[in-house]
Amino acid sequence: DTGVSQDPRHKITKRGQNVTFRCDPISEHNRLYWYRQTLGQGPEFLTYFQNEAQLEKSRLLSDRFSAERPKGSFSTLEIQRTEQGDSAMYLCASSLGLAGGEETQYFGPGTRLLVL
Amino acid sequence: SQQGEEDPQALSIQEGENATMNCSYKTSINNLQWYRQNSGRGLVHLILIRSNEREKHSGRLRVTLDTSKKSSSLLITASRAADTASYFCAYSYGNNRLAFGKGNQVVVIP
Repeated sequence: DTGVSQDPRHKITKRGQNVTFRCDPISEHNRLYWYRQTLGQGPEFLTYFQNEAQLEKSRLLSDRFSAERPKGSFSTLEIQRTEQGDSAMYLCASSLGLAGGEETQYFGPGTRLLVL
Repeated sequence: SQQGEEDPQALSIQEGENATMNCSYKTSINNLQWYRQNSGRGLVHLILIRSNEREKHSGRLRVTLDTSKKSSSLLITASRAADTASYFCAYSYGNNRLAFGKGNQVVVIP
């Protein structure tokens, strides 16, 4: 399968615990995005990487959230001291980084987080 | 926040009928994309229309874009039960971040 993969697919944790999610993009894609989707809503942008550089972060990304893409391939999203409001689907997407309005983002299956 | 808006938000149709969804946005865009999401799963890319295009077709899908009205529509022709899903418009702006609407839930009744 050459699509975007995410691990784990589901995570249940207790409030206050730390969690880490992994995203493996499509291999030749140099851009990687993280989004968060709550029930009944569309995804909301969190952050994105161009290769290993984190170029933009949303105001939604509080200081409890950190994302890395150390070698420009896979990425991790860590949430420290989880809160019940962090319960959501965390989606990863990747793209080739084309200019001229042709940029298509391809999404992974998501990691569904439930904070008890 | 930069969020698109879809209209209508829930649509129930008979198999074989056409389904039309609309989306509006509020800023200058690079492109506008439509995605499908089956319950609890990831997003599947359907079609992209660039800001300088007015209409695009892909199989049973037809997308229009009116940048003067900042709106787009998605038409699914000859719907099938397998088309039952949530459909999201997402517009690309700035550094290619996507802003999504709340989605349309489409139910196709066999």
